[in-house]
Amino acid sequence: QLVLQESGPGLVKPSEALSLTCSVSGGSISTSSGYWGWIRQPPEKGLEWIGNIYYSGSTYYNPSLKSRVTMSVDTSKSQFSLILTSVTAADTAVYYCARPLRGTYYDAFDIWGQGTMVTVSS
Amino acid sequence: EIVLTQSPGTLSLSPGESATLSCRASQSVSSSYLAWYQQRPGQAPRLLIFGASSRATGTPDRFSGSGSGTDFTLTIASLEPEDSAVYYCQQYGGSPFTFGGGTKVEIK
Repeated sequence: QLVLQESGPGLVKPSEALSLTCSVSGGSISTSSGYWGWIRQPPEKGLEWIGNIYYSGSTYYNPSLKSRVTMSVDTSKSQFSLILTSVTAADTAVYYCARPLRGTYYDAFDIWGQGTMVTVSS
Repeated sequence: EIVLTQSPGTLSLSPGESATLSCRASQSVSSSYLAWYQQRPGQAPRLLIFGASSRATGTPDRFSGSGSGTDFTLTIASLEPEDSAVYYCQQYGGSPFTFGGGTKVEIK
């Protein structure tokens, strides 16, 4: 079955960039879904959608983060990535990658990675 | 942006009782694109309901979703101890996709 796994530094300094990768196994990134997504959850708080990326590279970002977010996909490695620039303590969160249920844009997320905690601190 | 307001904040119920969780949207959710997730401590969210009322694969039939427009409900019939979790609603009918603040269900 499809498994998603996030990876990246657990600690990032303020004003620097956060960079995470989601590795997809158990299926092809280009056939298991059209779209892939990133969601984050600050400690003891709710969930925030960051954005979606299509396997061909088209991106759709949350306007609240759009100026700082870049997503990309590497089909050869079956990975997609997230870069968030100019981070502050408010970006401290568990970051999840996820797959939409039917692989479409307007869709709920049915497969999630385990999440990776990123702390922004000097 | 569609704001989702969940109520109550916390529900404390005994095993066997039923739970009713509310999710109210600030504007109509397109095509009933409303999902419910369960999140246990230290775990990723798990999709329970999509399309307001369709159960995801593996969702027990004691979980049911209903509603349309701006008012949606998740009902958990005959609570079991493993239902202790935080439940989130999410709308995916309009960008940006948004989540409610969550309802914590405690089993006495």
